[in-house]
Amino acid sequence: NAGVTQTPKFRILKIGQSMTLQCTQDMNHNYMYWYRQDPGMGLKLIYYSVGAGITDKGEVPNGYNVSRSTTEDFPLRLELAAPSQTSVYFCASLHGELFFGEGSRLTVL
Amino acid sequence: QKEVEQNSGPLSVPEGAIASLNCTYSDRGSQSFFWYRQYSGKSPELIMFIYSNGDKEDGRFTAQLNKASQYVSLLIRDSQPSDSATYLCAVKDNDMRFGAGTRLTVKP
Repeated sequence: NAGVTQTPKFRILKIGQSMTLQCTQDMNHNYMYWYRQDPGMGLKLIYYSVGAGITDKGEVPNGYNVSRSTTEDFPLRLELAAPSQTSVYFCASLHGELFFGEGSRLTVL
Repeated sequence: QKEVEQNSGPLSVPEGAIASLNCTYSDRGSQSFFWYRQYSGKSPELIMFIYSNGDKEDGRFTAQLNKASQYVSLLIRDSQPSDSATYLCAVKDNDMRFGAGTRLTVKP
């Protein structure tokens, strides 16, 4: 099993650009989550999904969108990137405990 | 709004001492509680989970849960320099929310 795979690992965006952070898991977990972590802070929940076709907002959803068309994939879309979205993004799936990807470091300049 | 609060730290203890990390949560209906450890630049990793009131021990780690007080703690006995990290409390309903984390430094 590869576990939870996130791509890209690093990305620099210009203000106003859009991009998608990809997240794939091969463990057939129903629950998946997207978090952001700013320097020296904890994880803030952006969106989560309890199964294919079902998504819900977390604590900080503004400026982001998600979809969950399959159990495996849970992409996070950033529209009109802003400097405030500079952060490290973690995707995770849940089965008893959270299984994290390695993170995606995004810088918006 | 569901809240998860941790003592902000930073916390510094000498090697061999007991480190005590605390967490409170606002949703009285929460049922599952987790402690994660995160080294700088890495993903969080699970230390322990606890569902029932009382203590749960795993090696040098003890998690304590008091649902009436909406309080969960983590004790690290015989602290080692390798325990130096940020410790994150998480509370699960359908979502999974984290506290801000407590940075622990264990000094040799």
